[in-house]
Amino acid sequence: QQPVQSPQAVILREGEDAVINCSSSKALYSVHWYRQKHGEAPVFLMILLKGGEQKGHDKISASFNEKKQQSSLYLTASQLSYSGTYFCGTEFPRNTPLVFGKGTRLSVIA
Amino acid sequence: DVKVTQSSRYLVKRTGEKVFLECVQDMDHENMFWYRQDPGLGLRLIYFSYDVKMKEKGDIPEGYSVSREKKERFSLILESASTNQTSMYLCASRQGTITGELFFGEGSRLTVL
Repeated sequence: QQPVQSPQAVILREGEDAVINCSSSKALYSVHWYRQKHGEAPVFLMILLKGGEQKGHDKISASFNEKKQQSSLYLTASQLSYSGTYFCGTEFPRNTPLVFGKGTRLSVIA
Repeated sequence: DVKVTQSSRYLVKRTGEKVFLECVQDMDHENMFWYRQDPGLGLRLIYFSYDVKMKEKGDIPEGYSVSREKKERFSLILESASTNQTSMYLCASRQGTITGELFFGEGSRLTVL
């Protein structure tokens, strides 16, 4: 079952913040986040394993709420380079292929 | 630089033709995957392989088959292409048994006329 991502699309001005959510009905082992720029391959951002950990990468961070089976990706002080489509991929159970959400299109404008 | 290479970036085929999409990775990864990407639908898993000669169906295997004769190569086969198989096809690989990142190829955009 595909995880549900929200919002479907968002437009930001440079410097604004955004949150992208990913929800699943299954008890997940891990959640992955990827970004795909137009015409390019999806690129890995981070993995969150069950345990409620939060990870960060520069101004992009994410959390994983095990009880709600929900992950959120936080983009702080957005830059033009953040534009692209963000996908969450969920793993359940361990070592099974990722099931991806439909994606969130993020556009950052000057 | 680690790499997943898909041999064809753009293909145009006719209905009924047999189509081969090739994918090669140079990272000695055990696991390889084929996803299909359509606007508004995200990435959907077609087939995957966790070892040479091994293959498993994903969520949308109908109309497709795969071959993995060597560890580094995973091929997607459309036995008889149809117009509803017009799509972007993404190959990916990862190290086996450990939850790790997927490395994607740049994709093969297939148009079936």
